[in-house]
Amino acid sequence: EVQLVESGGSLVQPGGSLKLSCVASGFTFSNYWMDWVRQTPGKSLEWIGEINTDGSKTNYAPSIKDRFTISRDNAKSTLYLQMSNVKSDDTAIYYCNILFVYWGQGTLVTVSS
Amino acid sequence: DVVMTQTPPSLSVAIGQSVSISCKSSQSLVYSDGKTYLHWLLQSPGRSPKRLIYQVSNLGSGVPDRFSGTGSQKDFTLKISRVEAEDLGVYYCAQTTHFPYTFGAGTKLELK
Repeated sequence: EVQLVESGGSLVQPGGSLKLSCVASGFTFSNYWMDWVRQTPGKSLEWIGEINTDGSKTNYAPSIKDRFTISRDNAKSTLYLQMSNVKSDDTAIYYCNILFVYWGQGTLVTVSS
Repeated sequence: DVVMTQTPPSLSVAIGQSVSISCKSSQSLVYSDGKTYLHWLLQSPGRSPKRLIYQVSNLGSGVPDRFSGTGSQKDFTLKISRVEAEDLGVYYCAQTTHFPYTFGAGTKLELK
């Protein structure tokens, strides 16, 4: 069974940094592109970015480019989202997923002073 | 960015009724390989999204055939025949043809 488990969400101050993790199991992690998508409270979904199978290529949404970095460790079957210079608009539930097919349960990031 | 416009924003239905949801994109979603990367997702209350349909009309694994998707270019429709209680939630269309990938605002399906 495919499982994606996100962690690392917390309360962070504006301008601060945070690193989210997503541990994958039940499939060959190194064979799949992975995505991050976020959902603001009561609102729709926003694609953040994706990473290819060996981590050599990433694509990002313009809204977060240069502030967020996606990486992966295939040996640990883990996907990461490094968030820096966070803003109140970054408050959301962050989901990792495999091309929108399989999703984790999400981790909540709250940006507030 | 490609804007995805879903209508209606909400639907009130009775069990057994059939419903349709529209999704229109601001640009054609036909990719250079000839395929159309328009997908439909369902987010049940308190749950993560789940993909129902990919590339306009292909049912995801385990998705009942009460769900069907049609459309082309910029105009797409999700149809649910004989709505069941488990179908309630928010439906989203999403495109992965153009960067950045974008989602519709959602259509909330509720019980009448």
